[in-house]
Amino acid sequence: EIVLTQSPGTLSLSPGERATLSCRASQSVSGYLAWYQQKPGQAPRLLIYAASSRATDIPDRFSGSGSGTDFTLTISRLEPEDFAMYYCQQYGRSPPFPFGPGTKVDIK
Amino acid sequence: EAQLLESGGGLVQPGGSLRLSCAASGFTFINYAMSWVRQAPGKGPEWVAGVNGGSGSSDYADSVRGRFTASRDNSRNTLYLRMNSLRAEDTAVYYCVKDAFKENGLWDAFDIWGRGTMVAVAS
Repeated sequence: EIVLTQSPGTLSLSPGERATLSCRASQSVSGYLAWYQQKPGQAPRLLIYAASSRATDIPDRFSGSGSGTDFTLTISRLEPEDFAMYYCQQYGRSPPFPFGPGTKVDIK
Repeated sequence: EAQLLESGGGLVQPGGSLRLSCAASGFTFINYAMSWVRQAPGKGPEWVAGVNGGSGSSDYADSVRGRFTASRDNSRNTLYLRMNSLRAEDTAVYYCVKDAFKENGLWDAFDIWGRGTMVAVAS
């Protein structure tokens, strides 16, 4: 079973700064990697699928990269509404489809 | 606009049962695999079960296999999760989620999430 790890656990930044979040898989997931944003009291929202494709209505300040076992979510310039939890998730051919433990982006 | 609305959560004693429902609207339900994802308080999401669109075949996380049954009624645009032998560790918000793309032999990322229904297992 694939295990996802995310780093850092918490990222403290100021609005306007660049955020770089990492997700590492215990074995290759090819490009079947998604990123979600979750705010308190809300369901997660899909940001990125297939490692680098933005979901519908997601601003272009969000970008994803990587393949195999190492993936990155970059937020080019943090807006106030971007301070939230971020999870990566593996999907594809065979369940289960694990999520990572998350990275919290909070205001410095 | 695609929407999902869960119902059926509540407080149940250990060993008890519960059935969750998810009403789908705004998309052609039969064309998409659907899943249940849960999130325990203060924890990350956990995929629980998925059901293919046309065949209705299902798969499960090891943590619930043999206790939970996921199914769908395509004529009613509704997804179900029957939960038996509930344990304290099943306490979570349960989300109904939709695959991002029409069935193509792969399970996809989840582009639509319901608001969730809370299940609490306690005596």
